[in-house]
Amino acid sequence: NAGVTQTPKFQVLKTGQSMTLQCAQDMNHEYMSWYRQDPGMGLRLIHYSVGAGITDQGEVPNGYNVSRSTTEDFPLRLLSAAPSQTSVYFCASKDRASYNEQFFGPGTRLTVL
Amino acid sequence: QQQVKQSPQSLIVQKGGISIINCAYENTAFDYFPWYQQFPGKGPALLIAIRPDVSEKKEGRFTISFNKSAKQFSLHIMDSQPGDSATYFCAARSGGSNYKLTFGKGTLLTVNP
Repeated sequence: NAGVTQTPKFQVLKTGQSMTLQCAQDMNHEYMSWYRQDPGMGLRLIHYSVGAGITDQGEVPNGYNVSRSTTEDFPLRLLSAAPSQTSVYFCASKDRASYNEQFFGPGTRLTVL
Repeated sequence: QQQVKQSPQSLIVQKGGISIINCAYENTAFDYFPWYQQFPGKGPALLIAIRPDVSEKKEGRFTISFNKSAKQFSLHIMDSQPGDSATYFCAARSGGSNYKLTFGKGTLLTVNP
Protein backbone atom coordinates (compact mmCIF):
# COMPACT_ATOMS: atom_id res chain seq x y z
CA ASN A 1 0.00 0.00 0.00
CA ALA A 2 1.21 3.51 -0.79
CA GLY A 3 -0.77 4.89 2.17
CA VAL A 4 -1.65 8.59 1.90
CA THR A 5 -0.08 10.38 -1.06
CA GLN A 6 -0.03 14.10 -1.77
CA THR A 7 0.92 16.08 -4.85
CA PRO A 8 2.67 18.34 -5.49
CA LYS A 9 5.37 18.32 -2.82
CA PHE A 10 6.20 22.00 -3.36
CA GLN A 11 4.28 24.81 -5.04
CA VAL A 12 4.76 28.54 -5.50
CA LEU A 13 1.75 30.66 -6.46
CA LYS A 14 1.13 34.32 -7.07
CA THR A 15 -1.61 36.11 -5.18
CA GLY A 16 -4.95 35.50 -6.86
CA GLN A 17 -3.99 32.29 -8.62
CA SER A 18 -5.96 29.12 -8.08
CA MET A 19 -4.75 25.58 -7.61
CA THR A 20 -5.74 22.15 -6.34
CA LEU A 21 -3.75 20.13 -3.85
CA GLN A 22 -4.24 16.45 -4.48
CA CYS A 23 -4.65 13.77 -1.82
CA ALA A 24 -5.25 10.07 -2.35
CA GLN A 25 -5.31 7.01 -0.09
CA ASP A 26 -5.41 3.34 -0.97
CA MET A 27 -6.52 1.97 2.40
CA ASN A 28 -10.27 2.28 1.76
CA HIS A 29 -10.56 4.73 4.65
CA GLU A 30 -13.88 6.49 5.12
CA TYR A 31 -12.54 9.54 6.93
CA MET A 32 -10.21 12.05 5.28
CA SER A 33 -9.13 15.48 6.37
CA TRP A 34 -6.93 18.44 5.49
CA TYR A 35 -4.74 20.31 7.96
CA ARG A 36 -2.44 23.25 7.66
CA GLN A 37 0.72 23.57 9.73
CA ASP A 38 2.20 26.94 10.53
CA PRO A 39 5.18 27.66 12.82
CA GLY A 40 4.08 27.74 16.46
CA MET A 41 0.46 27.00 15.55
CA GLY A 42 0.36 23.22 15.48
CA LEU A 43 -1.95 21.51 13.02
CA ARG A 44 -5.28 23.17 12.30
CA LEU A 45 -8.15 21.37 10.61
CA ILE A 46 -9.36 22.96 7.37
CA HIS A 47 -12.01 20.56 6.05
CA TYR A 48 -12.89 16.94 6.58
CA SER A 49 -15.02 14.20 5.07
CA VAL A 50 -16.61 11.16 6.70
CA GLY A 51 -17.32 9.48 3.35
CA ALA A 52 -17.83 10.00 -0.35
CA GLY A 53 -20.20 12.89 -0.98
CA ILE A 54 -19.97 14.21 2.59
CA THR A 55 -17.75 17.11 3.61
CA ASP A 56 -17.73 19.58 6.48
CA GLN A 57 -15.75 22.55 7.70
CA GLY A 58 -13.01 22.44 10.28
CA GLU A 59 -11.39 25.18 12.30
CA VAL A 60 -9.98 27.31 9.44
CA PRO A 61 -12.07 26.70 6.28
CA ASN A 62 -12.12 30.19 4.75
CA GLY A 63 -10.46 30.38 1.32
CA TYR A 64 -10.56 26.63 0.75
CA ASN A 65 -13.01 24.29 -0.99
CA VAL A 66 -13.19 20.51 -0.95
CA SER A 67 -15.21 17.75 -2.55
CA ARG A 68 -15.22 13.97 -2.11
CA SER A 69 -16.51 12.17 -5.18
CA THR A 70 -14.68 8.91 -4.44
CA THR A 71 -13.47 7.14 -1.30
CA GLU A 72 -9.87 7.40 -2.47
CA ASP A 73 -9.51 11.08 -3.33
CA PHE A 74 -9.97 14.29 -1.37
CA PRO A 75 -8.65 17.35 -3.24
CA LEU A 76 -8.26 20.76 -1.61
CA ARG A 77 -8.90 23.81 -3.80
CA LEU A 78 -7.60 27.31 -3.32
CA LEU A 79 -9.79 29.53 -5.49
CA SER A 80 -7.82 32.77 -5.10
CA ALA A 81 -4.56 32.28 -3.23
CA ALA A 82 -3.49 34.80 -0.61
CA PRO A 83 -0.12 35.19 1.17
CA SER A 84 -1.86 34.12 4.41
CA GLN A 85 -2.29 30.69 2.84
CA THR A 86 1.45 30.14 2.74
CA SER A 87 1.78 26.99 4.82
CA VAL A 88 2.48 23.27 4.82
CA TYR A 89 -0.64 21.26 4.06
CA PHE A 90 -1.21 17.73 5.29
CA CYS A 91 -3.88 15.29 4.25
CA ALA A 92 -4.86 12.48 6.60
CA SER A 93 -7.12 9.45 6.56
CA LYS A 94 -8.48 6.86 8.96
CA ASP A 95 -11.00 4.06 8.96
CA ARG A 96 -14.33 4.00 10.73
CA ALA A 97 -13.12 2.33 13.95
CA SER A 98 -13.06 5.01 16.61
CA TYR A 99 -9.65 4.42 18.10
CA ASN A 100 -7.67 3.44 15.04
CA GLU A 101 -4.79 5.52 13.84
CA GLN A 102 -5.12 8.55 11.61
CA PHE A 103 -2.45 8.37 8.89
CA PHE A 104 -0.87 11.53 7.50
CA GLY A 105 0.55 12.18 4.05
CA PRO A 106 4.01 13.68 3.45
CA GLY A 107 2.70 17.22 3.02
CA THR A 108 2.66 19.97 0.39
CA ARG A 109 4.68 23.11 1.05
CA LEU A 110 2.85 26.06 -0.52
CA THR A 111 4.23 29.57 -0.88
CA VAL A 112 1.98 32.40 -2.05
CA LEU A 113 3.84 35.51 -3.20
CA GLN B 1 -9.77 29.43 21.67
CA GLN B 2 -7.06 26.86 22.23
CA GLN B 3 -8.58 23.66 23.52
CA VAL B 4 -5.31 21.77 23.99
CA LYS B 5 -2.40 23.62 25.56
CA GLN B 6 1.06 22.10 25.14
CA SER B 7 4.30 22.96 26.90
CA PRO B 8 7.16 23.54 26.62
CA GLN B 9 7.52 24.99 23.14
CA SER B 10 11.04 23.58 22.90
CA LEU B 11 13.12 21.20 24.98
CA ILE B 12 16.79 20.28 25.00
CA VAL B 13 17.81 17.05 26.71
CA GLN B 14 21.08 15.18 26.98
CA LYS B 15 21.35 11.66 25.61
CA GLY B 16 20.09 9.21 28.21
CA GLY B 17 17.95 11.79 29.97
CA ILE B 18 14.18 11.94 30.41
CA SER B 19 12.10 14.18 28.15
CA ILE B 20 8.76 15.34 29.50
CA ILE B 21 6.11 17.16 27.49
CA ASN B 22 2.87 18.30 29.05
CA CYS B 23 -0.60 18.96 27.70
CA ALA B 24 -3.78 20.30 29.28
CA TYR B 25 -7.29 20.31 27.90
CA GLU B 26 -10.61 21.92 28.72
CA ASN B 27 -13.23 19.89 26.90
CA THR B 28 -14.44 17.06 29.13
CA ALA B 29 -15.98 15.37 26.06
CA PHE B 30 -12.52 14.41 24.80
CA ASP B 31 -12.13 10.63 24.93
CA TYR B 32 -8.94 9.86 23.03
CA PHE B 33 -5.52 11.41 23.47
CA PRO B 34 -2.84 10.56 20.89
CA TRP B 35 0.71 11.81 20.61
CA TYR B 36 2.25 12.36 17.19
CA GLN B 37 5.93 12.54 16.27
CA GLN B 38 7.07 14.56 13.29
CA PHE B 39 10.52 14.60 11.69
CA PRO B 40 11.57 17.52 9.48
CA GLY B 41 10.02 17.35 6.02
CA LYS B 42 7.71 14.49 6.99
CA GLY B 43 4.10 14.12 8.00
CA PRO B 44 3.16 13.46 11.63
CA ALA B 45 3.04 9.81 12.67
CA LEU B 46 1.19 8.30 15.61
CA LEU B 47 3.57 7.54 18.48
CA ILE B 48 1.32 6.41 21.32
CA ALA B 49 -2.25 7.06 22.46
CA ILE B 50 -4.36 6.70 25.60
CA ARG B 51 -8.01 6.64 26.56
CA PRO B 52 -9.19 8.34 29.78
CA ASP B 53 -10.13 5.07 31.49
CA VAL B 54 -6.46 4.36 32.23
CA SER B 55 -3.90 6.50 34.03
CA GLU B 56 -0.79 5.33 32.22
CA LYS B 57 0.26 3.61 29.02
CA LYS B 58 3.76 2.49 28.20
CA GLU B 59 5.26 1.44 24.89
CA GLY B 60 8.97 0.85 25.03
CA ARG B 61 10.70 4.07 26.14
CA PHE B 62 7.53 6.13 25.66
CA THR B 63 4.93 6.55 28.40
CA ILE B 64 1.74 8.59 28.56
CA SER B 65 0.56 9.66 32.00
CA PHE B 66 -3.06 10.77 32.22
CA ASN B 67 -4.75 12.73 35.03
CA LYS B 68 -8.46 12.93 34.30
CA SER B 69 -9.37 15.10 37.29
CA ALA B 70 -6.72 17.66 36.41
CA LYS B 71 -7.45 17.38 32.68
CA GLN B 72 -3.78 16.91 31.95
CA PHE B 73 -1.67 14.34 30.17
CA SER B 74 2.02 14.07 29.51
CA LEU B 75 4.55 12.22 27.38
CA HIS B 76 7.67 10.84 29.01
CA ILE B 77 10.58 9.66 26.88
CA MET B 78 12.99 7.60 28.92
CA ASP B 79 16.65 7.18 27.94
CA SER B 80 16.23 9.87 25.28
CA GLN B 81 18.29 9.33 22.11
CA PRO B 82 19.45 11.72 19.38
CA GLY B 83 17.11 9.86 17.02
CA ASP B 84 14.19 11.06 19.17
CA SER B 85 14.91 14.63 18.09
CA ALA B 86 11.66 15.71 16.43
CA THR B 87 8.54 17.78 16.97
CA TYR B 88 5.93 16.20 19.20
CA PHE B 89 2.24 17.05 19.14
CA CYS B 90 -0.38 16.08 21.65
CA ALA B 91 -3.95 15.87 20.43
CA ALA B 92 -7.44 15.17 21.69
CA ARG B 93 -10.68 13.99 20.12
CA SER B 94 -14.30 14.17 21.13
CA GLY B 95 -16.29 10.99 21.39
CA GLY B 96 -19.01 9.83 19.03
CA SER B 97 -18.80 9.76 15.26
CA ASN B 98 -16.77 12.96 15.15
CA TYR B 99 -13.23 11.99 14.15
CA LYS B 100 -11.78 15.46 14.40
CA LEU B 101 -8.51 15.84 16.28
CA THR B 102 -7.57 19.04 18.10
CA PHE B 103 -3.80 19.47 18.27
CA GLY B 104 -1.49 21.24 20.66
CA LYS B 105 1.02 23.67 19.18
CA GLY B 106 3.91 21.25 19.33
CA THR B 107 7.20 20.79 21.18
CA LEU B 108 10.53 20.76 19.38
CA LEU B 109 12.71 18.19 21.16
CA THR B 110 16.46 18.19 20.68
CA VAL B 111 18.48 15.39 22.21
CA ASN B 112 22.17 16.20 22.35
CA PRO B 113 24.66 13.34 22.00
